[in-house]
Parts: sequence; structure tokens; C-alpha cells
Amino acid sequence: EAGVAQSPRYKIIEKRQSVAFWCNPISGHATLYWYQQILGQGPKLLIQFQNNGVVDDSQLPKDRFSAERLKGVDSTLKIQPAKLEDSAVYLCASSPGTHYYEQYFGPGTRLTVT
Amino acid sequence: GNSVTQMEGPVTLSEEAFLTINCTYTATGYPSLFWYVQYPGEGLQLLLKATKADDKGSNKGFEATYRKETTSFHLEKGSVQVSDSAVYFCALNMDLYGQNFVFGPGTRLSVLP
Repeated sequence: EAGVAQSPRYKIIEKRQSVAFWCNPISGHATLYWYQQILGQGPKLLIQFQNNGVVDDSQLPKDRFSAERLKGVDSTLKIQPAKLEDSAVYLCASSPGTHYYEQYFGPGTRLTVT
Repeated sequence: GNSVTQMEGPVTLSEEAFLTINCTYTATGYPSLFWYVQYPGEGLQLLLKATKADDKGSNKGFEATYRKETTSFHLEKGSVQVSDSAVYFCALNMDLYGQNFVFGPGTRLSVLP
């Protein structure tokens, strides 16, 4: 079974530039999550999709971050414009459902904003 | 709100030592509890889980028991190896729509030969 795929693996941009990350979850997984993991901290949930609908985006900085999951499969997370404090690893995870299911994580995209 | 607290690291042990990493949680309800591990340069992997009180999760020699009375889910291993060096995250998942995973800050373990 193929795992969660993410690209790119690394990205370096200057502040005020835009960046987009892509995620392809495990086939058949209805729920997709985007997390931000700042160095030395645990992952923080940014947004959760159930199929192509948003379940929870309460911690997504909506003035600069956006995410979509068209057709309920792969997803894109965008930052526009980026700030220095956005430097982090962006993790995508998927799970079969919303209750009591473990999540399967991709390798992450390490973003450095200079 | 829901939260997870872990013992601060780094934890440094010699090979074959006994490991305990403490984890306590605060939740309005009855969460499922998880331990995830992140090896250097890799993504998070599920290590073990427990879905109700008194359940014991186990995998690769690691164990953790869901203690509702103390709201704890401490990770233990009887004899650690150098290959266990990683960051360990305790997490909870509420069985309520829209309130999902909350991760602790992580505990870095270094095992010396």
C-alpha cells in the first residue's frame, strides 16, 4: 500500500513570496489533515478535510493560508504572502475516518522563509 | 480545551536501560490515546495506541497503558537500543466530530552504545 505522498520535500523562499504544497493521501482515506510543525514542537493542526469538505480550520491563519481538496482526493496548501515565522515542516496526514483512527503521515515539506 | 503534556527532554540513556516517558492529558470526554515516533529525517509513524481505559498498547517492545484515573499514558520499554533514538509524541483523538488529534510537544530520546 502506497503511503502519503508530499511534494516538494524542501522549499526556500523569501518573505512576502508565495508557496504551495501538494499532498496525495492513501487511497480510500476520507480524512486529510495538514499540520504545521515548528522546530522543537509537536504538530499543530491547520485544517482537516472530510472528503472534499472542511471539518476544522479554526487554527488556519486565513489571511495568508488557504487549502483545498478538490474531488476529495489530493490537496494543496498555499501560503501567500509568507512570513519568517512560517518556517516549519508542513505535514500531511490521512486516515480512513474521523473517530478513533490513527493517522498516517507523509514525509513533510520543510519550508524555510528568509 | 484538550491538551497533552509530556516530560521534557532530552532523555539520554545507555543501551539496555529501562525507559519511561511520561504523558498526561486533559480532555472533555474519553479520548483515544496514541504514541507516535519520529526518527531523524523521517515523518511521524504510529508506535502504539489505546482506545479505552485500561487498554494496553504495545509494539516493538514498547508499552503504554491508558489510565483514566490518572489521565496518563506513559510509554515504557524494558531495554532500549541505539536504534530507538528518536522523538516521541503523545497524542489524543477525541470521538467528537471536528475535534481531532492533539499532539504533545515531543520528547527526544538519545540512546548511547
